[in-house]
Amino acid sequence: QKEVEQDPGPLSVPEGAIVSLNCTYSNSAFQYFMWYRQYSRKGPELLMYTYSSGNKEDGRFTAQVDKSSKYISLFIRDSQPSDSATYLCAMGLTGGGNKLTFGTGTQLKVEL
Amino acid sequence: EAQVTQNPRYLITVTGKKLTVTCSQNMNHEYMSWYRQDPGLGLRQIYYSMNVEVTDKGDVPEGYKVSRKEKRNFPLILESPSPNQTSLYFCASSLRREGPQHFGDGTRLSIL
Repeated sequence: QKEVEQDPGPLSVPEGAIVSLNCTYSNSAFQYFMWYRQYSRKGPELLMYTYSSGNKEDGRFTAQVDKSSKYISLFIRDSQPSDSATYLCAMGLTGGGNKLTFGTGTQLKVEL
Repeated sequence: EAQVTQNPRYLITVTGKKLTVTCSQNMNHEYMSWYRQDPGLGLRQIYYSMNVEVTDKGDVPEGYKVSRKEKRNFPLILESPSPNQTSLYFCASSLRREGPQHFGDGTRLSIL
């Protein structure tokens, strides 16, 4: 079983829809959490970083962390065709060196 | 512009021919890492470095070497590449040991 599980999709939504992307994890020692966006032929680009349970909002993006359920989410409001990309969740341990553990990514397509 | 730069972006080579992938960051970050990205497996850390001359293994270090002689550079060396090292490689850097990492745009290696 992988430490971090993420539905690979693809997920196809109409422009303007609210998108919900999710990851579950098995290691309760993970302390900090990130969402990255990866366009084709590009590197992962940091979208959101959170260190605790709860919600964090940045523009159209909201990250949610529920440590008790070992579940993190990314919500995208008013989705745009430019949001079409692969979204990767990542998490790390305090005292765990410099390693991030990634989900395999969810491919999102926002259609006109 | 803050960035992580990898070269080459694409390389096709043959089994056993030594190769080096360079990585340079201009953010004065202490920490640098190498990851490989494979379908269904996500990003997995190969090696990381905490400072000049200080490196440590990640999850999949076999067949790879690294060196950190200058703070800004962290090359990845494949001394005798094999076909199972065909993958997409990313270099990353971070200011702190724990927290988000900034990624380069990747190097696609094909070992025939």
